[in-house]
Amino acid sequence: AQTVTQSQPEMSVQEAETVTLSCTYDTSESDYYLFWYKQPPSRQMILVIRQEAYKQQNATENRFSVNFQKAAKSFSLKISDSQLGDAAMYFCAYLRWAGGTSYGKLTFGQGTILTVHP
Amino acid sequence: GAGVSQTPSNKVTEKGKYVELRCDPISGHTALYWYRQSLGQGPEFLIYFQGTGAADDSGLPNDRFFAVRPEGSVSTLKIQRTERGDSAVYLCASSLSGARSGANVLTFGAGSRLTVL
Repeated sequence: AQTVTQSQPEMSVQEAETVTLSCTYDTSESDYYLFWYKQPPSRQMILVIRQEAYKQQNATENRFSVNFQKAAKSFSLKISDSQLGDAAMYFCAYLRWAGGTSYGKLTFGQGTILTVHP
Repeated sequence: GAGVSQTPSNKVTEKGKYVELRCDPISGHTALYWYRQSLGQGPEFLIYFQGTGAADDSGLPNDRFFAVRPEGSVSTLKIQRTERGDSAVYLCASSLSGARSGANVLTFGAGSRLTVL
C-alpha cells in the first residue's frame, strides 16, 4: 500500500518570505500523480499544484512550485513571497494511475499547519 | 451547481442514532467520492461512485456505513447506530471521469462535521 509522510506538523514563515514544506511517499508504481492541497479553516480542500510522475519538469503555479525527486520519492512544496492568505493546513497526496479506469482514490499525508506572520 | 455542496455543515447527534449526510456534486461530474477526516489527520477514502454505482467501497469502515447515489447526481452517506469514534469531518468530492486530465482533479466540498456525543 502507498504511504505519504509529512514530517513537519507545523511550519511558520514571515510575510513575503519563502517556505518549503516536505513530503515523502512510498510506492512501487511507476505511473502516479502527486498533489498539494490547501485546507483553510473553512475546511474546503483546494488544489494548489499537481505533478505527473512521468514528467521530469517540476510543476509551478504562480508563487507555488514543487521539487519532485522521483528516485528519492520526495515531493516538496515551495511557497515564494508568502502572503497572509497562505496560512492553512497543507496536505500532500498521492494518486496511483493505472490507465483509463483509474479514479481519484487519493492517499493523503498527515498535514502541515502553515502560519504566516505579518 | 458551481461547486460541491454538502449539507448539513454541522451535525451533532447522540450515540446510537442514525445520520444522513448529503452531497450535491458539480453538474456533469460523473465521479463522486466520500472521504473521512478525523481531527488533525489527512482525509481517508471511503467510497467512489461512477454514475449510480459504487465502483469502490473498500474504505467503508464497517457495515454501519452505507452510501447511495440513485440518480447519478446527489449522494447520501448513511451511518447507522453512530458511535463516538464516527466523529469526524466527512468530505465529498467530484470529478470528471476517464481521461487523465479530468479524472484526477477532484473538487471538494466544505464537508459535514459530525459530532457524536
